[in-house]
Amino acid sequence: DAGVIQSPRHEVTEMGQEVTLRCKPISGHNSLFWYRQTMMRGLELLIYFNNNVPIDDSGMPEDRFSAKMPNASFSTLKIQPSEPRDSAVYFCASSLALAGADTQYFGPGTRLTVL
Amino acid sequence: GEDVEQSLFLSVREGDSSVINCTYTDSSSTYLYWYKQEPGAGLQLLTYIFSNMDMKQDQRLTVLLNKKDKHLSLRIADTQTGDSAIYFCAEIPNTGFQKLVFGTGTRLLVSP
Repeated sequence: DAGVIQSPRHEVTEMGQEVTLRCKPISGHNSLFWYRQTMMRGLELLIYFNNNVPIDDSGMPEDRFSAKMPNASFSTLKIQPSEPRDSAVYFCASSLALAGADTQYFGPGTRLTVL
Repeated sequence: GEDVEQSLFLSVREGDSSVINCTYTDSSSTYLYWYKQEPGAGLQLLTYIFSNMDMKQDQRLTVLLNKKDKHLSLRIADTQTGDSAIYFCAEIPNTGFQKLVFGTGTRLLVSP
């Protein structure tokens, strides 16, 4: 299995530009999670989906952030317009079930730098 | 409330044992996890423990859970330089959803 795939691995953009991060979960997994990691705030859950439906988006910072999961094998996290404080590593993770000890498998992350 | 705390840094010599500690506040958490993050990589699950267990051992890793004190620890025996990484404990509060709450992470540095 290829694991969780994220693209791009690195993104450098200028303030005000739109940024789209992509994630392909592990085949067969029904839950998908987007996290953001910074030195100041640590690891934060932004949003998670179950069966392609957003369950909890309370971690999404503000309206500039949006996430979609049009099908079971693809999700996007979009930032529009981007700001320097959005610079972070964004992780996608997937798991098989919604409750219990089912492991979340993390992708390698996308390192975003907004100038 | 949901709050998982860890010490930020631990330094040990190769061959020694490492003990990484974690405290959590949600006593209803059913599962507690240890994840490892190597530089430039995502988080990798090391092990987890169910809340009705006191101890779990997996090769060089030993997890101890003190539910009364809400204290979780990870012991790494015979620590190697390849164990240098950030270690996160995490809990799933008993909300019915698999929403992991992570600690701040402990950076383990293993010197030769």
